[in-house]
Amino acid sequence: GQQLNQSPQSMFIQEGEDVSMNCTSSSIFNTWLWYKQDPGEGPVLLIALYKAGELTSNGRLTAQFGITRKDSFLNISASIPSDVGIYFCAGRSRGNEKLTFGTGTRLTIIP
Amino acid sequence: DAGVIQSPRHEVTEMGQEVTLRCKPISGHNSLFWYRQTMMRGLELLIYFNNNVPIDDSGMPEDRFSAKMPNASFSTLKIQPSEPRDSAVYFCASSRAGITDTQYFGPGTRLTVL
Repeated sequence: GQQLNQSPQSMFIQEGEDVSMNCTSSSIFNTWLWYKQDPGEGPVLLIALYKAGELTSNGRLTAQFGITRKDSFLNISASIPSDVGIYFCAGRSRGNEKLTFGTGTRLTIIP
Repeated sequence: DAGVIQSPRHEVTEMGQEVTLRCKPISGHNSLFWYRQTMMRGLELLIYFNNNVPIDDSGMPEDRFSAKMPNASFSTLKIQPSEPRDSAVYFCASSRAGITDTQYFGPGTRLTVL
């Protein structure tokens, strides 16, 4: 099935560093979502974006809905050990309940 | 509130056997989605229901896969006969009606077909 291009594929950072990841699509989306998946669990919704240009925060997480509607960004400030996991973006086009998922960014924190 | 409930959490079976995965969506949610996750293909939507009615099953791999939703609080995904390439984690997700609402995932069923 169709997937969004998500980068980077993996990140190795030290605790306290800031993190940035992004997602791009060849199609326009009307909704962008960011999920986090811990090992052995299902994806958990972090942030939902519904308008082009929208910037939304959830604690140390900030996500933006790109102006072109073809991209989105997620930033994590001052990373902590519990931030470890796989982060997925997901997009939904107008009039469609189906989500298209990104390939995921695996975040690892180096001791 | 209880989240999406899936059972079993783990299933190991032999090739050729029938496998049934179960899902209970969040109460009040009208849409239910079945996904499959593998390393190679990531998260793939298999099928989704609105108000217990299958809307889009274009992601179902082949006739060996079938899904039902007999009522608003229960859905099954069946694989018959199972094959080793069906090994994956299967997720169920639910959302309220309306395209602006978000999907909430269950913990998944890890299926291993030997």
